Amino acid sequence: QLQLQESGPGLVKPSETLSLTCTVSGGSISSSSYYWGWIRQPPGEGLEWIGIIFYTGSTYYNPSFQSRVTISVDTSKNQFSLKLTSVTASDTAIYYCARRPYSGGWFDYWGQGTLVTVSS
Amino acid sequence: AIQMTQSPSSLSASVGDRVTITCRASQGIRNDLGWYQQKPGKAPKLLIYAASSLQSGVPSRFSGSGSGTDFTLTISSLQPEDFATYYCLQDYSYPQTFGQGTKVEIK
Repeated sequence: QLQLQESGPGLVKPSETLSLTCTVSGGSISSSSYYWGWIRQPPGEGLEWIGIIFYTGSTYYNPSFQSRVTISVDTSKNQFSLKLTSVTASDTAIYYCARRPYSGGWFDYWGQGTLVTVSS
Repeated sequence: AIQMTQSPSSLSASVGDRVTITCRASQGIRNDLGWYQQKPGKAPKLLIYAASSLQSGVPSRFSGSGSGTDFTLTISSLQPEDFATYYCLQDYSYPQTFGQGTKVEIK
């Protein structure tokens, strides 16, 4: 059974960089059949698509994050990561990692999510 | 970016009711739409993909329809475990965009 698990600091100071890792177990991140993505949800609000990555490193990002976001993949560790720079309080959210079939845009497996709070 | 508008934003219904949630895209998206259910404190769960295909393991009381700009999620007979928030997500173009959500509450 595929599982995804987010990890990283739960508290980040304003202007610093948010860094999260998603560890995939029960399947290979190097499969050519899937993208791997990040989605976030501010407390009490809706969902926001951040971006996706293929195991080759090919990425698609949400332009609303301008150049603040980077998603990378480490196939040797079966992990992919999210970095968001220059964070503000509005980046406080639950961050989810998820799997997306290459041939379709839906997210079929999700991590449990991790709350990241931006505060000094 | 394509805007996805869900309606209603919330609704109250009783167990056994037929419930319909709609999602409208700001431009045509073929059938590139999925529906998700989210319960408090949990990750979203995929219900429907490609507008009308039922995800494995999802009860058959859930169904989806539509293409182009107008889409519908229907719950044929609402069950106690269906009280949740529902989101649509378009995958026609990047960035993928979610609807704002529809909260289904107990009447």
